[in-house]
Amino acid sequence: DSGVTQTPKHLITATGQRVTLRCSPRSGDLSVYWYQQSLDQGLQFLIQYYNGEERAKGNILERFSAQQFPDLHSELNLSSLELGDSALYFCASSVGGLNADSYEQYFGPGTRLTVT
Amino acid sequence: AQKITQTQPGMFVQEKEAVTLDCTYDTSDQSYGLFWYKQPSSGEMIFLIYQGSYDEQNATEGRYSLNFQKARKSANLVISASQLGDSAMYFCAMRVTSGTYKYIFGTGTRLKVLA
Repeated sequence: DSGVTQTPKHLITATGQRVTLRCSPRSGDLSVYWYQQSLDQGLQFLIQYYNGEERAKGNILERFSAQQFPDLHSELNLSSLELGDSALYFCASSVGGLNADSYEQYFGPGTRLTVT
Repeated sequence: AQKITQTQPGMFVQEKEAVTLDCTYDTSDQSYGLFWYKQPSSGEMIFLIYQGSYDEQNATEGRYSLNFQKARKSANLVISASQLGDSAMYFCAMRVTSGTYKYIFGTGTRLKVLA
């Protein structure tokens, strides 16, 4: 158990809908990362937050957005869902200092999103 | 272009033997980090080992070592004394810092350890 929790474990929804994925980092970790893993595109880094602020941005679509709250949990919002958004979405956390990016990330179990 | 290449889609190794998983990278950044992750069939991602671009010594973590050859832009993972529990998907990844931090993953190598 990495100490990172993600809810829900599974999510099935229809095209055009909006969903929210939730992540609670390990106790003491300030950075949260979001990744998407699909058969088509492999593992893709989406976005990183550090202590409530966006720190790094990867291949995140404009239809997707994320935020990190004062209690350090994070949410990834996916809207106008398409079939191609079906994937496993991972959240990871690390201590992640602002000027010294911690290298060890602890991954949650993932949320399996199926868009029908 | 910033890229990670893993050329071995699948590999077999006999239990107790060593195995090398290949990873080459491409970046123009001077400062970068290289990672290896393991993904068992259960799906979770497990951090294995990290090498910074300025680290002079190869990283080691237990049975895992990273064979870092900067001039060749390779960062191969060596697993010594393979165990059945090492059967999994292995991903090489790179953190680059041009502009902003970004993480790039390879396509992975599926390792099967044979009894």
